[in-house]
Amino acid sequence: AQKITQTQPGMFVQEKEAVTLDCTYDTSDPSYGLFWYKQPSSGEMIFLIYQGSYDQQNATEGRYSLNFQKARKSANLVISASQLGDSAMYFCAMREGVYQAGTALIFGKGTTLSVSS
Amino acid sequence: DADVTQTPRNRITKTGKRIMLECSQTKGHDRMYWYRQDPGLGLRLIYYSFDVKDINKGEISDGYSVSRQAQAKFSLSLESAIPNQTALYFCATSDATGINQPQHFGDGTRLSIL
Repeated sequence: AQKITQTQPGMFVQEKEAVTLDCTYDTSDPSYGLFWYKQPSSGEMIFLIYQGSYDQQNATEGRYSLNFQKARKSANLVISASQLGDSAMYFCAMREGVYQAGTALIFGKGTTLSVSS
Repeated sequence: DADVTQTPRNRITKTGKRIMLECSQTKGHDRMYWYRQDPGLGLRLIYYSFDVKDINKGEISDGYSVSRQAQAKFSLSLESAIPNQTALYFCATSDATGINQPQHFGDGTRLSIL
């Protein structure tokens, strides 16, 4: 079974609108971390936001926020006020285990976001 | 200068050739990783290293080998390249101080095997 599932291969949004990119995960570890990365067409991987399994509040970083629903095992990325520069591939990733600091991330297959003017 | 540097950035080669992709980092991280990205498949882990003496296979290590020459250097080799190894390859590093530490990626190497 997939550990990270991103069900939206592509999403389309207009400038200034908000968009939600879905991510569900599967783990039996009580301690885990969830990450979102952005990959523009130039190819580099840019870290956006982190949510820990024990965090009481949803993470926010500027226009990015994470809608974390632990019981549903979902960690959706919300981008407010979309900009043309937000057009990119977005990856959800997970690190499992309280003793697994620094271990490899498990990635979903990604969602391509296209922002139009 | 980039914290994680991959060389070459692009490479086209022929089936059967030996290829080495190099990665160096200035972040001082102990943990280093090699991933490959294929369209529609996301990033998949090839090998990872927790320090110079510790090398571990990832999800898709067959056909690849690695060498950790120093804390700052981690190279990936394809001993006899085949066309289905055509992909975008990423090196990444991370700090082991906490589960919340992101991985830091190089800019990738686009490898085409004809």
